[in-house]
Amino acid sequence: AQKITQTQPGMFVQEKEAVTLDCTYDTSDQSYGLFWYKQPSSGEMIFLIYQGSYDEQNATEGRYSLNFQKARKSANLVISASQLGDSAMYFCAMREALTGTNNLFFGTGTRLTVIP
Amino acid sequence: GAVVSQHPSRVICKSGTSVKIECRSLDFQATTMFWYRQFPKKSLMLMATSNEGSKATYEQGVEKDKFLINHASLTLSTLTVTSAHPEDSSFYICSARALSSHQPQHFGDGTRLSIL
Repeated sequence: AQKITQTQPGMFVQEKEAVTLDCTYDTSDQSYGLFWYKQPSSGEMIFLIYQGSYDEQNATEGRYSLNFQKARKSANLVISASQLGDSAMYFCAMREALTGTNNLFFGTGTRLTVIP
Repeated sequence: GAVVSQHPSRVICKSGTSVKIECRSLDFQATTMFWYRQFPKKSLMLMATSNEGSKATYEQGVEKDKFLINHASLTLSTLTVTSAHPEDSSFYICSARALSSHQPQHFGDGTRLSIL
């Protein structure tokens, strides 16, 4: 089974509007971390936000917030006030504590296009 | 199941050893493969982009002679860390993409390299 599922291959959003990128995960581990990365056309993977499985508050970083619903095993990324520079691929990832290798499991990504 | 297999998942070896990491696309032909290195601030740095049958394109600051990349077939790319030193210890991850940039990018599970 896929550990990370991103069901939206592409999303469009109007500039200045908010957008939610979906991510669901699968793990039997109690301790894990969830990450979101942004990949612009240059290929670099830019870390956006992190949520630990024991964190009670949803993580926020500037215009990025993570809607963490543990029971549903979802970790959706919310981008508020979209900007043209937000157009990029977005990847959700998870790290499980039990694996011991600290490997990151990635989803297949969502391509976000911000429309002026 | 995984569509990109990265092996090994963890390597511990002595300083001066050369280490080879394999990245295989299991059920598609990967015309382009990417190699990343993760740094402590959680961002993933793109090291190089390899296209099947041609020389890899290295990002600025990445030593070509240190990190040898071979993309000999449409399903296999290898990264060899030559004469590894402790500062090379890191998490390396590959990803693969078929044909055009609009195809989803699939990530391997990564390799944790520890140089003693």
